[in-house]
Amino acid sequence: NAGVTQTPKFQVLKTGQSMTLQCAQDMNHNSMYWYRQDPGMGLRLIYYSASEGTTDKGEVPNGYNVSRLNKREFSLRLESAAPSQTSVYFCASSEALRGDTQYFGPGTRLTVL
Amino acid sequence: GENVEQHPSTLSVQEGDSAVIKCTYSDSASNYFPWYKQELGKRPQLIIDIRSNVGEKKDQRIAVTLNKTAKHFSLHITETQPEDSAVYFCAATPYSSASKIIFGSGTRLSIRP
Repeated sequence: NAGVTQTPKFQVLKTGQSMTLQCAQDMNHNSMYWYRQDPGMGLRLIYYSASEGTTDKGEVPNGYNVSRLNKREFSLRLESAAPSQTSVYFCASSEALRGDTQYFGPGTRLTVL
Repeated sequence: GENVEQHPSTLSVQEGDSAVIKCTYSDSASNYFPWYKQELGKRPQLIIDIRSNVGEKKDQRIAVTLNKTAKHFSLHITETQPEDSAVYFCAATPYSSASKIIFGSGTRLSIRP
């Protein structure tokens, strides 16, 4: 039981390049999330998926898109990376959307030059 | 919308002493308050949580208290040990808002030997 996995662990992009961050969970959770973590700012919600087939914007969605591919997988895409998107990205999942423990993946450290 | 403020941002205590971290929230409808611990370079992990129908919850050396009237909740760590050194995040989940677990900005706790 791997829990929540993310790929890649590290990535360096040039401004304007695109990439997709992958996330998968094997806990049969309904809800999945993408956060970014910047120094001194805690965790900010980018997008979430309450259940398979639905996605919604979080606190900081601009510059990102997501796809809930199936119940297990939730990907985050940067279409045209900017230096302001340099951050650590965490995927998380929970059984239910509201009032439930969120389990985090190991994170992806992204640098945009 | 919900806003969560966390204090202090850094805290240094002598090993064996107690540590207290405080959070306030703005949405009176919030009903779930988890605390996460993040060790350096690792993912956030849930250490304790409390729901709005409970005033206090304890798990070995850690406890959380909730004052719904004042809209604040606190994390208490007793008999601190070196492995307690980490960043701690509080969070609040407003019942009225579909996912939006809002995190505080974090407290970096250092345990002095």
